[in-house]
Amino acid sequence: KAGVTQTPRYLIKTRGQQVTLSCSPISGHRSVSWYQQTPGQGLQFLFEYFSETQRNKGNFPGRFSGRQFSNSRSEMNVSTLELGDSALYLCASSLAQSTGELFFGEGSRLTVL
Amino acid sequence: GENVEQHPSTLSVQEGDSAVIKCTYSDSASNYFPWYKQELGKRPQLIIDIRSNVGEKKDQRIAVTLNKTAKHFSLHITETQPEDSAVYFCAYKRVQGAQKLVFGQGTRLTINP
Repeated sequence: KAGVTQTPRYLIKTRGQQVTLSCSPISGHRSVSWYQQTPGQGLQFLFEYFSETQRNKGNFPGRFSGRQFSNSRSEMNVSTLELGDSALYLCASSLAQSTGELFFGEGSRLTVL
Repeated sequence: GENVEQHPSTLSVQEGDSAVIKCTYSDSASNYFPWYKQELGKRPQLIIDIRSNVGEKKDQRIAVTLNKTAKHFSLHITETQPEDSAVYFCAYKRVQGAQKLVFGQGTRLTINP
């Protein structure tokens, strides 16, 4: 089975721009979660999607949004980028919602200049 | 709060010695406690997990102990090897409110040859 695939792996944006990150979960996994990883804050939960519906949301501003498609692929979007949004964005998939092992992708490293 | 406190933030041990990482959580209803290992430049991967109906679980050189009364759990690595060098994250499944995995800040473990 192919693992969790995230694209793009690296990207550079400037303040005020917006960005869309993509995640393809492991085949058969219906739950997709997104995390922001920064050196000082560890892994911060952004949101979780299951069956195309957002099931849980972390404490991030409304500039952070996401969606899930019928094939379980997910995208997250960050609008009006700020310098502090520079981070590694990790997607993780699991078989069921909010339970069990998370399988992480390699992440998308976003740099905001 | 929903945070999990993880200590120490950095740990350096001699090859062959043991390493212990401790985490304290707040949600007394939590029933799932995984540990993830993230090697440099790689994705986090589950190495061991424990559910609240047991107090200890072992898998070769790694073990996890859980004290539900005190709300803390620990990772123990014995006979450490250079390939154990990585960042380790504890997590717990938040049950009260939005169900999600809450991660600790991470411990950077360095094994000195």
